[in-house]
Amino acid sequence: EAGVVQSSRYKIIEKKQPVAFWCNPISGHNTLYWYRQNLGQGPELLIRYENEEAVDDSQLPKDRFSAERLKGVDSTLKIQPAELGDSAVYLCASSFITGGETQYFGPGTRLLVL
Amino acid sequence: SQKIEQNSEALNIQEGKTATLTCNYTNYSPAYLQWYRQDPGRGPVFLLLIRENEKEKRKERLKVTFDTTLKQSLFHITASQPADSATYLCALMTGGGNKLTFGTGTQLKVEL
Repeated sequence: EAGVVQSSRYKIIEKKQPVAFWCNPISGHNTLYWYRQNLGQGPELLIRYENEEAVDDSQLPKDRFSAERLKGVDSTLKIQPAELGDSAVYLCASSFITGGETQYFGPGTRLLVL
Repeated sequence: SQKIEQNSEALNIQEGKTATLTCNYTNYSPAYLQWYRQDPGRGPVFLLLIRENEKEKRKERLKVTFDTTLKQSLFHITASQPADSATYLCALMTGGGNKLTFGTGTQLKVEL
């Protein structure tokens, strides 16, 4: 069974530029999560989707971050414009149901903003 | 304020010994607690889950305890091996089962 797929392991951009991250969850998982992980810290939830609906985006900095999951399968997280402080690892995870006891994580994309 | 605390200093132990990692939390009432393993450059991988009404859970060489009075979970790896070297994260499920909040993780190094 394929795991959670994320595009690009690394992204390097200059500040003020846009950047996008893509995630394809495990087939059949209706809940998708985006996390941000700073160095030496645990993952922090940015947004949670149930199918195509964003049910928890309280931690998403909405002035510059946006996300979509149009068909309830794959998802894109965007930052525009990026700031130096956005440098982190962006992790996607999925689970069969919300509160599903196991979340399956992708490998993450390490973003460096210069 | 709400906190999940794990030892920030790396834990170094000798192969064959039992590693014990601690997770303390304040101002949470978790429905359950999970432990994940994270290797460098990879996403976390689920290891064990223990519910609020359970005291102990085992899986092969792994054992987790959960004391809701002390607000503490202990994670044990018996007969540790160099391959067990990784960062171990505890995570609390709160918000009615909708939100997983992670600790900062503890790095374990098992030496020959």
